[in-house]
Amino acid sequence: DVKVTQSSRYLVKRTGEKVFLECVQDMDHENMFWYRQDPGLGLRLIYFSYDVKMKEKGDIPEGYSVSREKKERFSLILESASTNQTSMYLCASSFIGVVGNQPQHFGDGTRLSIL
Amino acid sequence: GQQVMQIPQYQHVQEGEDFTTYCNSSTTLSNIQWYKQRPGGHPVFLIQLVKSGEVKKQKRLTFQFGEAKKNSSLHITATQTTDVGTYFCAGPSGYSTLTFGKGTMLLVSP
Repeated sequence: DVKVTQSSRYLVKRTGEKVFLECVQDMDHENMFWYRQDPGLGLRLIYFSYDVKMKEKGDIPEGYSVSREKKERFSLILESASTNQTSMYLCASSFIGVVGNQPQHFGDGTRLSIL
Repeated sequence: GQQVMQIPQYQHVQEGEDFTTYCNSSTTLSNIQWYKQRPGGHPVFLIQLVKSGEVKKQKRLTFQFGEAKKNSSLHITATQTTDVGTYFCAGPSGYSTLTFGKGTMLLVSP
């Protein structure tokens, strides 16, 4: 069974801090994704990566960066945290597949509060 | 960019009643996926529909993909309290990426 593990379930940080959210998957998936989920707004894609050291912007990349140094690990970085980045952050992974849009497997999420 | 609209946003039913959520896209979709997120949980993949007019069943859940491949529905027959959660549809926005609808939150009272 696919396991996507996010480093923290809950995290509290201060405005202006640099914040790292870590995600590890154990199924050798090529694709990894970072979403944020807010009430009434659903899931919004921040960044995704289809290979080591490769990254693509999603719908809301402003204020975020990512790092993928190893295939199994995808990190989301808040360069200078702001209160409007308080949210639930979800990591997901999937195969690339011969046919696109393979099912995505999600981690449990990190509920991040910026004070 | 592509948008996937989902209605209703919220539905509260009595256990045993049926439930349907609808998903509409402004563009033709090559496929559509459905996910369920339990309260406090994470989205879990349910199914993917690919063919025009396709109908798939999973026990009490029936998924349909429209003939024009612009809409889809999820119907639950005789809801149970275990069906509680938010149901999302998602359409492709790139080869690997998805655009999610905002979801339909289902509450089932015993």
